[in-house]
Amino acid sequence: SQQGEEDPQALSIQEGENATMNCSYKTSINNLQWYRQNSGRGLVHLILIRSNEREKHSGRLRVTLDTSKKSSSLLITASRAADTASYFCATDETSGSRLTFGEGTQLTVNP
Amino acid sequence: DGGITQSPKYLFRKEGQNVTLSCEQNLNHDAMYWYRQDPGQGLRLIYYSQIVNDFQKGDIAEGYSVSREKKESFPLTVTSAQKNPTAFYLCASSIAGLLEQFFGPGTRLTVL
Repeated sequence: SQQGEEDPQALSIQEGENATMNCSYKTSINNLQWYRQNSGRGLVHLILIRSNEREKHSGRLRVTLDTSKKSSSLLITASRAADTASYFCATDETSGSRLTFGEGTQLTVNP
Repeated sequence: DGGITQSPKYLFRKEGQNVTLSCEQNLNHDAMYWYRQDPGQGLRLIYYSQIVNDFQKGDIAEGYSVSREKKESFPLTVTSAQKNPTAFYLCASSIAGLLEQFFGPGTRLTVL
């Protein structure tokens, strides 16, 4: 079952622009995480936001969480060509013991 | 260096054969996971283990089997019962089930 759904499926921007990706989920969660995957590689953890947090920053990343709307957004500011990758959100249900990943957003940053 | 390794990187299998994918971690993590990823899609959970000698089925366990005899190792066997095994397989580990997961580099399995 897919708990998280990312939007858009694909995003193409120019270097220096900001990139925003959204994630919606269905059930109550303990926390929400964002991961990055370069083509053909494993995933790398970017950031975790807990259900009682509304916003979190890490370098050029800004994550927001709206539990009333069951949605989260990932903002990458001043994007670089090296940011080109797929980005996934992952959620854990409050009654569960595993993460559920969304389908991902494929981000392309053109130099 | 601490990390999680998977081998082999590429694996080719004939129809009807069982194959075993290796996953090893030296992070001292209790929890380990196997995911399957098809082209352009997200990750689907096959099996996970939160402690040695115990594991649970994920969303797509049919045609797969695992063992967890050691904390460091969580091998996945793709059996001949798996009808469409060609995919990218990712192993991950974490301190606890709901926190940050560390991923291996993946194994790309192709059935000939």
